[in-house]
Amino acid sequence: AQSVSQHNHHVILSEAASLELGCNYSYGGTVNLFWYVQYPGQHLQLLLKYFSGDPLVKGIKGFEAEFIKSKFSFNLRKPSVQWSDTAEYFCAVNEGRDDKIIFGKGTRLHILP
Amino acid sequence: DVKVTQSSRYLVKRTGEKVFLECVQDMDHENMFWYRQDPGLGLRLIYFSYDVKMKEKGDIPEGYSVSREKKERFSLILESASTNQTSMYLCASSPPTGWSDTQYFGPGTRLTVL
Repeated sequence: AQSVSQHNHHVILSEAASLELGCNYSYGGTVNLFWYVQYPGQHLQLLLKYFSGDPLVKGIKGFEAEFIKSKFSFNLRKPSVQWSDTAEYFCAVNEGRDDKIIFGKGTRLHILP
Repeated sequence: DVKVTQSSRYLVKRTGEKVFLECVQDMDHENMFWYRQDPGLGLRLIYFSYDVKMKEKGDIPEGYSVSREKKERFSLILESASTNQTSMYLCASSPPTGWSDTQYFGPGTRLTVL
C-alpha cells in the first residue's frame, strides 16, 4: 500500500532561517504530489502541487518543492522563513488514477520571532 | 470562492450516543471525503464517495458509516460514539481526477465523546 513519510514531526527555526521539510513516498508509478498547510485556527489548504513537467514546483508564500523521482521524494523548501509560517505542514500523494490521497503525519513548524 | 461547510465547529456527546456530522460543498464536486485528524497521526481517511449513493471505505472505517443522498452533502455517522472517537473531523471535496486533484477542506468539527 502507498505510504507517505515525513521525517520531522516538529521543527523550530528562527526567522530568516532556511527551511527544508522532508517527504518520501512508497509508490513506484505515476504520482501526483501535494503539500498542504494548516495555519493555527484555519482550514487545511493547498500550498503547492506537482502533476507533471518541471520537477521544481513553486507555490504560495515563497514555498517551493522539488520532485526527485529516483529518491521518491518531494521536499518542501523556503529560503527565508517568517513568523507567519508557523503552521502544520502535510505532504500528500495521489496515485494518479485514484482520487484517494494519502497524507503524511504532518510536521509542526514553529518560527521564533 | 470554493466553500466546504461543516455543521458544527465543536460537539460534545456521551458514550453510546448516535452522532451525525454534516458536510456541504457548493462546488458541484463529485468526490467527498471524511478524515479524522489526531496529533502525531496526521489525517486518516474514514470514508469517501465518488458520487451520490456511492461510498468506499477508507483506512479506518470501523465504528463509522456515511450517507450521500445528494451531491452536495456527505454525512458521517457514529452509530454508537465511544471515547476513542474523540477527534477533529475534517470533510473535503474534490473534482474527479483528470482536471484537478486539489482537495478543498472544511473548517473541521472537534468532537469530544465523554
